[in-house]
Amino acid sequence: QSVLTQPPSVSGAPGQRVTISCTGSNSNIGAGYDVHWYQQLPGTAPKLLIYANTNRPSGVPDRFSGSKSGTSASLAITGLQAEDEADYYCQSYDNSLSASVFGGGTKLTVL
Amino acid sequence: QVTLKESGPALVKPTQTLTLTCTFSGFSLSTWGMRVSWIRQPPTKALEWLARIDWNDDKFYSTSLKTRLTISKDTSKNQVVLTMTNMDPVDTATYYCARSPMTKNAMDVWGQGTTVAVSS
Repeated sequence: QSVLTQPPSVSGAPGQRVTISCTGSNSNIGAGYDVHWYQQLPGTAPKLLIYANTNRPSGVPDRFSGSKSGTSASLAITGLQAEDEADYYCQSYDNSLSASVFGGGTKLTVL
Repeated sequence: QVTLKESGPALVKPTQTLTLTCTFSGFSLSTWGMRVSWIRQPPTKALEWLARIDWNDDKFYSTSLKTRLTISKDTSKNQVVLTMTNMDPVDTATYYCARSPMTKNAMDVWGQGTTVAVSS
């Protein structure tokens, strides 16, 4: 059972907008720790997509955006493309565990 | 260009000790704020953070695996080594190392991963 909870799967048609939620608690997201998002394409290593809640690394399209509120965070993807089909993970820090923690991952299917 | 690459045995027997090496380039682990983490991913499962070592030699471990893990660095060789004792089949996974600079506080560059199977 992951400390951060994500929906197992989401789907959308090309061009649509989807969001992926990441729900934590007062010992991680709610305590003010940053949330980061990673994209893992099939058979490859994870890639940083969003860092510190809302920031995109160089090279990440602005179709990807992050937000955070209270004990939750969200990743939004607009203008869905077939190449976005991947697993997405949120990550934060938990002060009760004194450790970095990941969500259980969300599989995005582009219909 | 920042790169990291994991190396180690593809197969270990139960109860053995696993030693993995992360060899990196494009940054120095003696630079203020620089950090390297190890993360693993069992087949078809989620990512699990294991350990981290910082530029000042501070070390942090997963609470559930703390007694089995040791992380160390050799700054002159640009390497970070992770050892995990008493390996079990449930430790079968792909093991990744990743850079995590304090400026981003995220794992911004990942290695390709190395797959480790635990079987007799």
